[in-house]
Amino acid sequence: SQTIHQWPATLVQPVGSPLSLECTVEGTSNPNLYWYRQAAGRGLQLLFYSVGIGQISSEVPQNLSASRPQDRQFILSSKKLLLSDSGFYLCAWSGQALGPQHFGDGTRLSIL
Amino acid sequence: SQELEQSPQSLIVQEGKNLTINCTSSKTLYGLYWYKQKYGEGLIFLMMLQKGGEEKSHEKITAKLDEKKQQSSLHITASQPSHAGIYLCGAGQSNSNSGYALNFGKGTSLLVTP
Repeated sequence: SQTIHQWPATLVQPVGSPLSLECTVEGTSNPNLYWYRQAAGRGLQLLFYSVGIGQISSEVPQNLSASRPQDRQFILSSKKLLLSDSGFYLCAWSGQALGPQHFGDGTRLSIL
Repeated sequence: SQELEQSPQSLIVQEGKNLTINCTSSKTLYGLYWYKQKYGEGLIFLMMLQKGGEEKSHEKITAKLDEKKQQSSLHITASQPSHAGIYLCGAGQSNSNSGYALNFGKGTSLLVTP
């Protein structure tokens, strides 16, 4: 069966520090991968999605970036975190166009 | 982009009561997905609806998509404390440049009291 892993579960970072969140999927090949952010009162916001290695599409301009160095690995990064980057970050995968997306357990990021 | 409106925003029901959550879009829904989330955790996939008039059930939860594919409802029968959480609807984006990403409603927070 397929599983998705996100880490770390929680992270506290100072403003201006770099960020790297990792997401890996097991049990499937060539998944579509997604990064979402969930902020209080704002719902779930799509940040990036990827349909293949090295293929990244950005939905919202920001100081975050994403990379997909391997088929089942998706990384969310930032060179310098802002206070507004705080939130709950969720990674998801799907196996086909408009198929259901399956989510990881999320990373709660707090910026001080 | 497509916006999804969920109602109500929050709901408190007594255990054993029935309840309904609605999800409405101004545009045709290209695949409608219902998820449940417990605070601080990931989203758990419940059901997917694609055809107008489609209805699916799983245990005590029933989801429907209207014929025009612009509104969906989630109905819980004889609610239990285990049903508590945040329910989110998501829909495929009609813009082909957005791949297979989903837009989500802001969620409905459900509390079931003894």
